Formats: sequence, C-alpha cells, structure tokens
Amino acid sequence: GENVEQHPSTLSVQEGDSAVIKCTYSDSASNYFPWYKQELGKRPQLIIDIRSNVGEKKDQRIAVTLNKTAKHFSLHITETQPEDSAVYFCAARPAQVPGKLIFGQGTELSVKP
Amino acid sequence: NAGVTQTPKFRVLKTGQSMTLLCAQDMNHEYMYWYRQDPGMGLRLIHYSVGEGTTAKGEVPDGYNVSRLKKQNFLLGLESAAPSQTSVYFCASSSRLAGGNNEQFFGPGTRLTVL
Repeated sequence: GENVEQHPSTLSVQEGDSAVIKCTYSDSASNYFPWYKQELGKRPQLIIDIRSNVGEKKDQRIAVTLNKTAKHFSLHITETQPEDSAVYFCAARPAQVPGKLIFGQGTELSVKP
Repeated sequence: NAGVTQTPKFRVLKTGQSMTLLCAQDMNHEYMYWYRQDPGMGLRLIHYSVGEGTTAKGEVPDGYNVSRLKKQNFLLGLESAAPSQTSVYFCASSSRLAGGNNEQFFGPGTRLTVL
C-alpha cells in the first residue's frame, strides 16, 4: 500500500545551523508533496509544497527538493532560529485519490540558542 | 472566517461508551478528513469524504464511523470506545480545485482519553 517514511525522528541543531529532513514514498504516481509544521499543542500548518513536475522550490529560509526517480524528497531549513523548533511532517498525495495525503511519522526539530 | 472548528476540545470516556466528534468548515471545501495523531506515528487517516453524502475508509477505520450529511460538517463517531482510541483527533478540509494543490486546513484538534 501507500507509505511515506520520514527520517530522522528527532533532530537537534544549534541556532544558525542548517537542518535537513528526508522522506521517501512508495507510490510512484504521487504528484504533490507538502510539508507541515506543528508547534507544541497546535494544529499542523502548511509551510511549503512541491508538485511532481518541479525539482526544487524555495521560500526564504526553507526549500524542498524532489527526486522522482529515487522517490525521495527533502526539507531544508537554513539559518535556523529557536522559533523553528516544532514537529515537521512530510506528506505525499497518491494520484489515484484526489485530495488524500499520506503523512510521514514526523520529525521533532529542536533549535538550541 | 472561522476556518475549521472541532467540538469538543477535550473528552474523557469510559471503555464502551460512545461519542461523536463534530467538525465544521466555512470555506466551502468539498473534501474533509479525520486523522488521529499518536506519538511517533504521525497523522493517520481514519475516514475521508470527497463530497456531501459520500465517505470512504482511510488507513485506520476500524472502530469508527463517519457521516457527511451537510457539506460543511463531518462527524466522527465512536460506537464503543476502547483505550486504544486514546489519541488526538484532527479534522481537516481542502478544496477540489482542478490542478490545485489541495492544501489541507486543519482544525485545532480534540484530545480524547478512554479509560
């Protein structure tokens, strides 16, 4: 069945360093890959997304890359700040079911001042 | 706009009791979803709906039922609660734009404890 694997489960960095979170997906027909950020006690919120016809997308300090051949996509956060501390989820949308997302297990990012 | 709202925010049940969680959205979205979130397991899809009067099973549907009688509401029911259903439940909705990215907007969550 459809599956998304996310690594690492926890990540600790110093303020100003970069953070990278990686995901792999099983359904080669997946066509949309969003990333959500969830602060403690809050709801998940979309921070960036990428479609399958694009290899890279950047928005200020965050960027996402997609390798369709390897079925792999990554989130890159540069110049990390304490407010980046949160749980990050990747997701993939199977092409067969409009709207449906399969989420990864989540990465707890801690940015130490 | 309130976006996506959920009722109640917290609930404690005893094993075997039943309850209904209500999700409402005011964005005129066609798609709605119910997830459960457990530590280390991410967001797992319970049931979803692609339109009024239609529902479908997600990854973990057992022990839950849903109904979508009105476009703006999506109800999640637990007929006989079990301790394994202790979790945080999130509702979400998204638009059915052609070629759109279907961003999912989440509600604030319901924390359910089953004793």
